Amino acid sequence: ETGVTQTPRHLVMGMTNKKSLKCEQHLGHNAMYWYKQSAKKPLELMFVYNFKEQTENNSVPSRFSPECPNSSHLFLHLHTLQPEDSALYLCASRGDDETQYFGPGTRLLVL
Amino acid sequence: DAKTTQPPSMDCAEGRAANLPCNHSTISGNEYVYWYRQIHSQGPQYIIHGLKNNETNEMASLIITEDRKSSTLILPHATLRDTAVYYCIVRVAAGGSYIPTFGRGTSLIVHP
Repeated sequence: ETGVTQTPRHLVMGMTNKKSLKCEQHLGHNAMYWYKQSAKKPLELMFVYNFKEQTENNSVPSRFSPECPNSSHLFLHLHTLQPEDSALYLCASRGDDETQYFGPGTRLLVL
Repeated sequence: DAKTTQPPSMDCAEGRAANLPCNHSTISGNEYVYWYRQIHSQGPQYIIHGLKNNETNEMASLIITEDRKSSTLILPHATLRDTAVYYCIVRVAAGGSYIPTFGRGTSLIVHP
């Protein structure tokens, strides 16, 4: 257990569906991240939030919409996704020593 | 943040030491070396980090060369559960804008 939880762990959705991924951290950190990891590829940074403010958007398509209502929670809203968006979506928080703590990820399949 | 270079794959016999190298020849004086690992289909897990001195914790040891241009992560007694992709990252430990970059890492296979 890293102190970072993600739900759901698995998600299957159609291209017209709207769904949301949730991340929660119980570590008192102020920075949170979304990453995408496609099969056999390195982690790709998507978004960074510091003190609830988005500080990085790594050219992510608008069909991915992040939300950070407070420092403990991070959401990724999904709509009209494409099959190539199927991947493992990872959330992480960052402590004062700059160490990142990752959640277990959400395995997403878009049909 | 400085770029790192790691071998794509390594293997090790169970019970033996696994020594994973990382080159970071452009590292700056205030950049730390961090190691993470990712077991198949799980989130990456922090292992250890260091600046100049060698570091050891319950998971591994980190040996940093005197010129800081390379480092080695040592798993002293590798087990089958240590099979994973190991990532070496260098970055400033405090302040600044942190855009972490995970490369392809080293895929370590521990065999019986």
